[in-house]
Amino acid sequence: NAGVTQTPKFQVLKTGQSMTLQCAQDMNHEYMSWYRQDPGMGLRLIHYSVGAGITDQGEVPNGYNVSRSTTEDFPLRLLSAAPSQTSVYFCASSPLGGGIWDTGELFFGEGSRLTVL
Amino acid sequence: KQEVTQIPAALSVPEGENLVLNCSFTDSAIYNLQWFRQDPGKGLTSLLLIQSSQREQTSGRLNASLDKSSGRSTLYIAASQPGDSATYLCAPRGTGNQFYFGTGTSLTVIP
Repeated sequence: NAGVTQTPKFQVLKTGQSMTLQCAQDMNHEYMSWYRQDPGMGLRLIHYSVGAGITDQGEVPNGYNVSRSTTEDFPLRLLSAAPSQTSVYFCASSPLGGGIWDTGELFFGEGSRLTVL
Repeated sequence: KQEVTQIPAALSVPEGENLVLNCSFTDSAIYNLQWFRQDPGKGLTSLLLIQSSQREQTSGRLNASLDKSSGRSTLYIAASQPGDSATYLCAPRGTGNQFYFGTGTSLTVIP
């Protein structure tokens, strides 16, 4: 299994540009999420999804859009990048939990480092 | 909103020492709690997961305990090694499928 795959690993944008961070998982997990990690701030939830067609906002959703058309993919879109969005972005997935064999463990991708100039 | 606190924020120990990392959380209505390790510039690697009905979990030199009623978890590392140097994060999972993270404990093991 590849687990959670994020692309690209590194990206430099200019203010106002748009881009999409890709996230894919091959574990058939219902739950997928995006976090950003900044020094001294810990991990902050941007958006999450509990299944195809269902998304919801996390703690810091402004400036980001998501969609979930398939179980496997959960892309994060920056519509007009700002320097404040310079960060490391992590995608994570998990089963929803509640099943006999389901521990509800959260799995992370390797991260995408974004710099906005 | 669940608040997660990890103490200490940073810890430096000589190789071979046993150590304890602490995690406290404000809402005891959790589904499970995970401990993660993060190396500089890398992603988060799951170390241990404790279900809400469990008291502890062990993996090799690592032992994690959970006292849900008091909102506390500890990660015990036995016979620390330089390769254990990393940031350790705890994450309780709420019953509403929300994960909450502390800011971590940065561990340095000195050879």
